[in-house]
Amino acid sequence: KAGVTQTPRYLIKTRGQQVTLSCSPISGHRSVSWYQQTPGQGLQFLFEYFSETQRNKGNFPGRFSGRQFSNSRSEMNVSTLELGDSALYLCASSLGPLGQETQYFGPGTRLLVL
Amino acid sequence: AQRVTQPEKLLSVFKGAPVELKCNYSYSGSPELFWYVQYSRQRLQLLLRHISRESIKGFTADLNKGETSFHLKKPFAQEEDSAMYYCALTSGGYQKVTFGTGTKLQVIP
Repeated sequence: KAGVTQTPRYLIKTRGQQVTLSCSPISGHRSVSWYQQTPGQGLQFLFEYFSETQRNKGNFPGRFSGRQFSNSRSEMNVSTLELGDSALYLCASSLGPLGQETQYFGPGTRLLVL
Repeated sequence: AQRVTQPEKLLSVFKGAPVELKCNYSYSGSPELFWYVQYSRQRLQLLLRHISRESIKGFTADLNKGETSFHLKKPFAQEEDSAMYYCALTSGGYQKVTFGTGTKLQVIP
């Protein structure tokens, strides 16, 4: 089986812009979770989508949003980018809802905000 | 609020020595605890979860609710164990995930 893929792998944006990141889960997986990883804050949970519905959300501002399509692919959008949004964004997929099944992580998208 | 603490940023041990990576958590309910590992230039991957009580690559972890700990142990470290290790907790009906800050394990040949 192909693993979790994320596009693009690297991205450079400027403050105030918006960005959309994409995550394609392993075939058959219905849950996609997103995480932000920074040297200062470590790995932080953003949100999880299961069967096109957001199940839960971490403590991030409303500028961070996402969605999931009927084929389980997911996108994450960050509007009005700030310098502090520079991070590695990871997505992970699993067969079932978060916590019930093993998560498989993608390689990440590295976002740099200038 | 839930919290996961990994007190050591770096742990260096000699090959063949025992390893213990510490993880303490704070959560009022019944947590589910995990250890994830990231080898150099590889993706983050699940190492083990407390529910399954299995031993993966010689590593074990026991949930101690009294001490709110979930330390990762291996009796004899191998060079290939060198990696970044993260302890994580999920909670509640609508699960959220909290990760620790990670411990880098360095096994010295």
